[in-house]
Amino acid sequence: DTAVSQTPKYLVTQMGNDKSIKCEQNLGHDTMYWYKQDSKKFLKIMFSYNNKELIINETVPNRFSPKSPDKAHLNLHINSLELGDSAVYFCASSQMGGRTGEAFFGQGTRLTVV
Amino acid sequence: DQQVKQNSPSLSVQEGRISILNCDYTNSMFDYFLWYKKYPAEGPTFLISISSIKDKNEDGRFTVFLNKSAKHLSLHIVPSQPGDSAVYFCAASGRRGADGLTFGKGTHLIIQP
Repeated sequence: DTAVSQTPKYLVTQMGNDKSIKCEQNLGHDTMYWYKQDSKKFLKIMFSYNNKELIINETVPNRFSPKSPDKAHLNLHINSLELGDSAVYFCASSQMGGRTGEAFFGQGTRLTVV
Repeated sequence: DQQVKQNSPSLSVQEGRISILNCDYTNSMFDYFLWYKKYPAEGPTFLISISSIKDKNEDGRFTVFLNKSAKHLSLHIVPSQPGDSAVYFCAASGRRGADGLTFGKGTHLIIQP
């Protein structure tokens, strides 16, 4: 029973297309995140979202938008895909005020834009 | 501007010996420091963390040490086992957890039989 699951695991698409990546967590956490791991292997926060606020990393283009239908889901929509968007995208969740600061990660979605 | 740095891209250790992974940070406002382990094609898995008010935390074979004055932390794995071969990421979080984790670039640990 996967704690944080994201689909699809692999996504190959053409430049200019619009795509979505879905994420669900069954941990009852109140905060969800999207991270991007680029070709240099850096893992960087893109968004964090709980029922009170959306925090956006200022470096993220506005072609990227998170959508949260409920507390357990945070989907990532990407418009007008570009070659530079190719990366691995990780969804994560955590509980605010937790003792360890720990976040749980999904398995990742490898996006390839051709 | 990297706030969390792991200066060793890779580390090779013999099975049974101690593995020491190092991490430096620049932001004094970090509240928690964490270590994650990552296998290829999988997401990072939480290993161990330490609060900024402590200097040591131990969990089985894993111990994390924090030196706040030097802005340095290290992960000790003893004894090292073949299954420990993976990429290890150092991460830090601020008091406002909603800001997420700031990661280092990772160290690829290879355990030699």
